[in-house]
This record gives sequence, structure tokens and C-alpha cells, in this order.
Amino acid sequence: EIVLTQSPATLSLSPGDRATLSCRASQSVSSYLAWYQQKPGQAPRLLIYDASNRATGIPARFSGSGSGTDFTLTVSSLEPEDFAVYYCQQRIKWPLTFGGGTKVEIK
Amino acid sequence: QVQLVESGGGVVQPGGSLRLSCAASGFTFSSHGMHWVRQAPGKGLEWVAFIRYDGSDKYYGDSVKGRFTISRDNPKNTLYLQMNSLRAEDTAVYYCAKELKQMSSSTSSFDYWGQGALVTVSS
Repeated sequence: EIVLTQSPATLSLSPGDRATLSCRASQSVSSYLAWYQQKPGQAPRLLIYDASNRATGIPARFSGSGSGTDFTLTVSSLEPEDFAVYYCQQRIKWPLTFGGGTKVEIK
Repeated sequence: QVQLVESGGGVVQPGGSLRLSCAASGFTFSSHGMHWVRQAPGKGLEWVAFIRYDGSDKYYGDSVKGRFTISRDNPKNTLYLQMNSLRAEDTAVYYCAKELKQMSSSTSSFDYWGQGALVTVSS
């Protein structure tokens, strides 16, 4: 199975900071990578699909980049509601897999 | 608006069975592939199973293969997950999730999720 490794595990930042999250795949997933945000007690929410496409209603401060094995989710300026856990997920090969998550916490 | 509502969760003994349902509304259910994803307490997300929009293809995660069965009833707009031979490690919140793209020949990202159903496997 394709293993997705997210780093760092925890990111301690302040509102207004830029957040850069990484997701590395054990083999190429082309551009078939998505990013999700999850807040405590809530279901995940799709942010980015196919590496760089923002989902409906997602603010422009969220952007995704990368292809092959290395991907990045960037939040240009953190809002208070952006502190959450972020997961990447690949859809190129069964079984579908998620990364272990990056928690973005308030510094 | 799109709604996905899971039901059927609860406490079950190891070796027991449970069936989860996911009632869908607000979109053309018969045109979208559907997934089950679970999350053990305090842990990350684990993909469980997929069924194509017309039920023609099904895929499972390795940890549930041979024990869980995904199915759908398109006229009833309902997705199911039959879980047999349950183990303690199956304890999790189970989410149903809708695929972004319609009638896709492959799979796509999950654009809507239910609020989840808690399954606890314990004696």
C-alpha cells in the first residue's frame, strides 16, 4: 500500500502566520492527492483535491501544490478557525490511504 | 443541501455483528460512489470501503477484507456497512462519505461526510 508521511506532526503558530504542511508518498501518486481539515468532534472537510484544486467554499488562503511524491498545503495567513488537524489522502491506488495528520496549534 | 446521516452504531461484543446505515439526501445518490472511513479514538483516519455509484465495484481496506461488506440501495438513497467478526480494534467512529465526481470510472475525493456513528467492540 502507498504510505503517506506527513510532517511535522505538530505545528505551533500564531494567527496571521503562514503554515506550510508537507505530505510525502512512498511512491508516485501523480496529482491524485487531497487535503482535509478536521476540528475536534467534527467530520473532516475537503480543502484541496487533485493536489491543487480548492474545493467549493474553501477560502483562497488555502493552497496546495506538488505532484509525484511530494506535496504541500499552505495556509497563507492563519485565521483562528484554521487551528485543526490536517490530513492528506491518495486515490491513485487501492487501498486508499491517509497520512497520519499534522496538528496546527496555537503558539 | 447534501446530508449524510449514519445510524446503527452501538456496543457489540467481540465476534459480534453490526450493520451501519447512511441515509443520503440533497444530491443524486445513484450517480456518486460512496465510501466508509473510520477513526479510532484519538487516532487518524482509516479508509474502510468503497462502492461504485451503480454497485458494480467494491473495494476494502486490508484490515476489514473478508469481514465487512459494503452495499447500497439506490432507490432508498441508503448506503450500508455490514460488519461481522468484530474485534476490539474495530472500535471507531465510522463516517460515510460521498465522492466529489459523478459516475466516475475511477474514484475521487470525498466532498461531503456524515457526522459519524460510534461503534464500540467490548465485552
